[in-house]
Amino acid sequence: AQKVTQAQTEISVVEKEDVTLDCVYETRDTTYYLFWYKQPPSGELVFLIRRNSFDEQNEISGRYSWNFQKSTSSFNFTITASQVVDSAVYFCALSETHGSSNTGKLIFGQGTTLQVKP
Amino acid sequence: ETGVTQTPRHLVMGMTNKKSLKCEQHLGHNAMYWYKQSAKKPLELMFVYNFKEQTENNSVPSRFSPECPNSSHLFLHLHTLQPEDSALYLCASSHPSIRGEQYFGPGTRLTVT
Repeated sequence: AQKVTQAQTEISVVEKEDVTLDCVYETRDTTYYLFWYKQPPSGELVFLIRRNSFDEQNEISGRYSWNFQKSTSSFNFTITASQVVDSAVYFCALSETHGSSNTGKLIFGQGTTLQVKP
Repeated sequence: ETGVTQTPRHLVMGMTNKKSLKCEQHLGHNAMYWYKQSAKKPLELMFVYNFKEQTENNSVPSRFSPECPNSSHLFLHLHTLQPEDSALYLCASSHPSIRGEQYFGPGTRLTVT
């Protein structure tokens, strides 16, 4: 069965601190995609990144970086020099497959609530 | 207008009312989804539509009735709801493939009194 686990329910940091959000996944598929979404207080989930299972290069986008490690089935997300506007719930997700049927469905983790204090 | 829009943004209804939530996407996607997000709970997938056909009903009670007249529009018809149905209802769309990231609307905050 496919599963995504975000063990950190809530994290609180002070502005300018670095913070890492953990994501561990389970799948038997060899081809899959991983995603991160941000949900600010307004409610809308905002797509942040997609990574395929064959690309283990770390990615950096401004203050955001992602560390994908297939060996440990992890796809962690780091925010450098956090800001108050980063306060949100962050979801990690895994693409679901049924053999050769790629439905586009996503399996979401439980989410991590990040609070950045000024 | 671009992206995924949802109306209304907020809805308060009694248990005997009938109401509908509307979702519209302007992204050219062919897959659309309804999710329920309750307080302190993860996202729960409710329904999936691919090319207007329902491909998933995640054991949702019949008081929730989806409708997808075309690939751009998705409705969720509500009737005789219960207070525990109060939640944020999110609509999303994507290309129906494994690599298709989903794009979400702002959600409808539903309160059942």
